[in-house]
Amino acid sequence: KAGVTQTPRYLIKTRGQQVTLSCSPISGHRSVSWYQQTPGQGLQFLFEYFSETQRNKGNFPGRFSGRQFSNSRSEMNVSTLELGDSALYLCASSVGLAALGTQYFGPGTRLLVL
Amino acid sequence: TQLLEQSPQFLSIQEGENLTVYCNSSSVFSSLQWYRQEPGEGPVLLVTVVTGGEVKKLKRLTFQFGDARKDSSLHITAAQPGDTGLYLCAGSEAGGTSYGKLTFGQGTILTVHP
Repeated sequence: KAGVTQTPRYLIKTRGQQVTLSCSPISGHRSVSWYQQTPGQGLQFLFEYFSETQRNKGNFPGRFSGRQFSNSRSEMNVSTLELGDSALYLCASSVGLAALGTQYFGPGTRLLVL
Repeated sequence: TQLLEQSPQFLSIQEGENLTVYCNSSSVFSSLQWYRQEPGEGPVLLVTVVTGGEVKKLKRLTFQFGDARKDSSLHITAAQPGDTGLYLCAGSEAGGTSYGKLTFGQGTILTVHP
């Protein structure tokens, strides 16, 4: 069974631009969660989607948004990029809600904002 | 948002030594997970502990959940260079509107020298 895939793996953007990251969960998994990882703040929860509905949200500004499609694939969008948005963005999938089972993480998308 | 304090932040030891990593909070978690992350990859789940006082063993790794479900520890016996990596604890919030949201500790970077 293929693991969680994330595209692109690396991305360079400039301040003010917007970016869309994609996550394909493991086949049969209905939950996708997104996390931001930085050296200073560590791994922080962004949001979780289950069956196309946002189930949980972290403490990030409205510039960070996401959605999930009927095939469980998910996208995350960051608008008006800031230097501080440079980070590794990880997505994780699980069969049911993340709190009830095992999450499997993808390799991440490394975003650099110049 | 519940906070998890993980210590130590860095650990550099020789092969064969024992070590313990701690994860503490003032809040109660419904469950606690330990992950290991290697460079360029997403975190991989090692174990989930659910019951207060629970102890789980995974080869040379021993995980314990505190009686009050506020803290946890990871003990590695006879560390090997292959144990090198970033170790993360993550607690699942117990209730309210944030039920199931995962809060991660800052992580412990372990280096085991041959």
